[in-house]
Amino acid sequence: QSALTQPASVSGSPGQSITISCTGTSSDVGGYNYVSWYQQHPGKAPKLMIFDVSNRPSGVSNRFSGSKSGNTASLTISGLQAEDEADYYCSSYTSSSTVVFGTGTKVSVL
Amino acid sequence: EVQVLESGGGLVQPGGSLRLSCEASAFSISTYAVSWVRQAPGKGLQWVSGISGNGALTSYADSVKGRFTFSRDNSKNTLYLQMNSLRADDTAVYFCAKGEGYYTRGAFDMWGQGTMVTVS
Repeated sequence: QSALTQPASVSGSPGQSITISCTGTSSDVGGYNYVSWYQQHPGKAPKLMIFDVSNRPSGVSNRFSGSKSGNTASLTISGLQAEDEADYYCSSYTSSSTVVFGTGTKVSVL
Repeated sequence: EVQVLESGGGLVQPGGSLRLSCEASAFSISTYAVSWVRQAPGKGLQWVSGISGNGALTSYADSVKGRFTFSRDNSKNTLYLQMNSLRADDTAVYFCAKGEGYYTRGAFDMWGQGTMVTVS
């Protein structure tokens, strides 16, 4: 199972909005509404930010939103803040009843 | 407080075996799916294996199929990952992650701190 494709890095200034893409196939991202997004700060465990494409867990800021079109899912962070600087990973359920993660995106706040 | 705690990591020679444990607190492992996810040093996340809430459905990444076995002890609310025929590319931090539902779908809402496995 190949990893989902994400841009290696995305950057933005405080207050701006950025979008991270996550591209898969019809056997994963395109075939199911089971896309999740995780935030990981250095040396820490990942934190669930979005599940089932666009749902936010309790406690996650509404500055984070998710969407999907075809085989590509997206995470948008609006009102970028310094604390948002981290690595972000997408994941998807697959037709093999497994889970695949994305390659990861480093978000930098300029 | 809902949490999972991993243990059992360490240094092992290539071809050796290791068993990781994941102890769940404040939730029943018979109610939620649980997965193992690993992260090699400086690399991204890789899903390893998952088990459903009733334990009937277990799935593995191709890279570990036939070598790793995911099991559980409901009486101890603990899950185990038996890792055999270990290779250098299995070196990673192994996270135990609670699923947000009964089946493994990729949404993990609680993660442990991870346990390091080094194959050398």
